[in-house]
Amino acid sequence: SQTIHQWPATLVQPVGSPLSLECTVEGTSNPNLYWYRQAAGRGLQLLFYSVGIGQISSEVPQNLSASRPQDRQFILSSKKLLLSDSGFYLCAWTRTPGPNYGYTFGSGTRLTVV
Amino acid sequence: DAKTTQPNSMESNEEEPVHLPCNHSTISGTDYIHWYRQLPSQGPEYVIHGLTSNVNNRMASLAIAEDRKSSTLILHRATLRDAAVYYCILRVGNAGNMLTFGGGTRLMVKP
Repeated sequence: SQTIHQWPATLVQPVGSPLSLECTVEGTSNPNLYWYRQAAGRGLQLLFYSVGIGQISSEVPQNLSASRPQDRQFILSSKKLLLSDSGFYLCAWTRTPGPNYGYTFGSGTRLTVV
Repeated sequence: DAKTTQPNSMESNEEEPVHLPCNHSTISGTDYIHWYRQLPSQGPEYVIHGLTSNVNNRMASLAIAEDRKSSTLILHRATLRDAAVYYCILRVGNAGNMLTFGGGTRLMVKP
């Protein structure tokens, strides 16, 4: 069966510090991978998606970046965090191709920038 | 993804059925109707999806109108654990297979 792992679960970081969040998927190959963010009391915003190794598409311009160094690994990074980067970060995957498959989300990372 | 319209909130009594509506009048022929729910402090969870025919699984049923311009998620017996935000989303087969979340319906279940 397929599983998705996301860590850490919670993170408190000072403004200006770097960030690295990791997501890995097991039990499948060539998944589509996604990073979402949910600010407090707000909806889910798609940040990045990837359809293959090294292929990253950005949906929202910001000081975050994403990388996919391996087929089932997706990393969200920042060189210098802002207060506005606080939120609940979620990784997700789905099979390719086509819309006839559901998404599976990780358990999320709650980031607080102080 | 095409736009969907859902009520902001709904209330239900425990152990009663719940019908969560979704309007999607601009749906195209190849759009799939997906439902997810998000419990407090958790990531979204897949509930069900369909294209034209009604669908059933262990969590819920999805009733799709004949013209596909609306659908209804049916929880047969609401429990307190079903209190969540429910999202109705149309998915198209674009390159990224992206899932675009709207505001959803906040379901409150009363004991």
